[in-house]
Amino acid sequence: EAGVAQSPRYKIIEKRQSVAFWCNPISGHATLYWYQQILGQGPKLLIQFQNNGVVDDSQLPKDRFSAERLKGVDSTLKIQPAKLEDSAVYLCASSPQGGNTEAFFGQGTRLTVV
Amino acid sequence: QQQVKQSPQSLIVQKGGISIINCAYENTAFDYFPWYQQFPGKGPALLIAIRPDVSEKKEGRFTISFNKSAKQFSLHIMDSQPGDSATYFCAAARWYQLIWGAGTKLIIKP
Repeated sequence: EAGVAQSPRYKIIEKRQSVAFWCNPISGHATLYWYQQILGQGPKLLIQFQNNGVVDDSQLPKDRFSAERLKGVDSTLKIQPAKLEDSAVYLCASSPQGGNTEAFFGQGTRLTVV
Repeated sequence: QQQVKQSPQSLIVQKGGISIINCAYENTAFDYFPWYQQFPGKGPALLIAIRPDVSEKKEGRFTISFNKSAKQFSLHIMDSQPGDSATYFCAAARWYQLIWGAGTKLIIKP
C-alpha cells in the first residue's frame, strides 16, 4: 500500500512570496489533515477535511493560508504572502475515517522563509 | 476540556531501563488513545493505540496503561534501546477530532 505522498520535500522562499504544497493521501482514506510543525513542537492542526468538506479549520490563518481538497482526494495548501514565522515543516496525514482511526503521515515539506 | 497534557517534556533513560511517559485528558467522550513516535526529519508514525474498554495493551516492549477513572494513560517502554530515542506524542480522539499532546523527547543513553 502506497503511503501519503507530499511534495516538494524542501522549499526556500523570501517573505511576501507565495508557496504551495501538494498532498496525495492513501487511496480510500476519507480524512485528510494538514499540520504545521515548528521545530521542537508538536503538530498543530491547520485544517481537516472529511472527503472534500472541511470539518475543522479553526487554527488556519485564513488571511494568508488556503487549502482545498480536489474531488475528495488530492489536496493543496497555499500560503500567500509568506511570513518569517511560517518557517516550519508542513505535514499531510490521512486516515480511513476520522480522528479515531490511525493517521498516516507523509514525510512533510520543510519550508524556510528568509 | 479539549486539551491533552503530556509529561515529561524530555526524558533521559539508560539503555535497558524503563521509559515512562504520561498523559491526561478531560473530555470523557474521547474513545481512542494513540501514541505516535517521530524521528528527526520524519513524520509521526503510529506506535500503539488503545480504546477505553481495556486497561492495558502490550505490543512487544511497548505497553499502554489506561486508567479511565483518573482520565490518564501512559506509555511504558521496557528494556529501552538507543533506537527508541525519538519524540513521542500521545493523542486522544473522538469521531473526527484528534487532539495531540505536546510531545516528549526521549533520549536513551548507551
